[in-house]
Amino acid sequence: ETGVTQTPRHLVMGMTNKKSLKCEQHLGHNAMYWYKQSAKKPLELMFVYSLEERVENNSVPSRFSPECPNSSHLFLHLHTLQPEDSALYLCASSQEVPLAINNEQFFGPGTRLTVL
Amino acid sequence: AQSVAQPEDQVNVAEGNPLTVKCTYSVSGNPYLFWYVQYPNRGLQFLLKYITGDNLVKGSYGFEAEFNKSQTSFHLKKPSALVSDSALYFCAVRDITANNAGNMLTFGGGTRLMVKP
Repeated sequence: ETGVTQTPRHLVMGMTNKKSLKCEQHLGHNAMYWYKQSAKKPLELMFVYSLEERVENNSVPSRFSPECPNSSHLFLHLHTLQPEDSALYLCASSQEVPLAINNEQFFGPGTRLTVL
Repeated sequence: AQSVAQPEDQVNVAEGNPLTVKCTYSVSGNPYLFWYVQYPNRGLQFLLKYITGDNLVKGSYGFEAEFNKSQTSFHLKKPSALVSDSALYFCAVRDITANNAGNMLTFGGGTRLMVKP
């Protein structure tokens, strides 16, 4: 186990549903990330939170809405998704130290999302 | 801008033989380089990283990687492959001179390693 948990592990939803993905890290890290992993495509960084502030939003459609209420929890709220949004959604965390050597990211097991 | 290329979608090797998974990168400054492995139905697991110093980096499960600045490469290697090494391998880079908050890595497309008995 990496110390990063994600729930649910599998999710099937219709295009009109609203659902949320949850990520929790038990490592005392101060940065958290959402990635999208689709078949035959590179890992796509979606959002980055550092010290609970969003610092990166890579042109992600507004039907994906992140929330980081504290440094240990990260949510991804989903609304009116499309079938092409079906993918593995990975959460990661790391400890950011300004002007210092970066530490590696620790990944959760992912949520396999299927949009019907 | 930073980028990573993994030129092989799949690498096949017989158990006991040496393996190499290739990675080349592009950054404007000095790179931080990482290798991650992903087993089926799991998230990515950190294998090793290069920050500075010795060009040969040793990591988990007997893997190592060699940083070659002139060739901008960071190939992953193992002297003797195991069937259990079969997985998806990702190379990642961060430009240490990039003025961005958060540890924003750029990942390669991944290489599937198949080790056959």
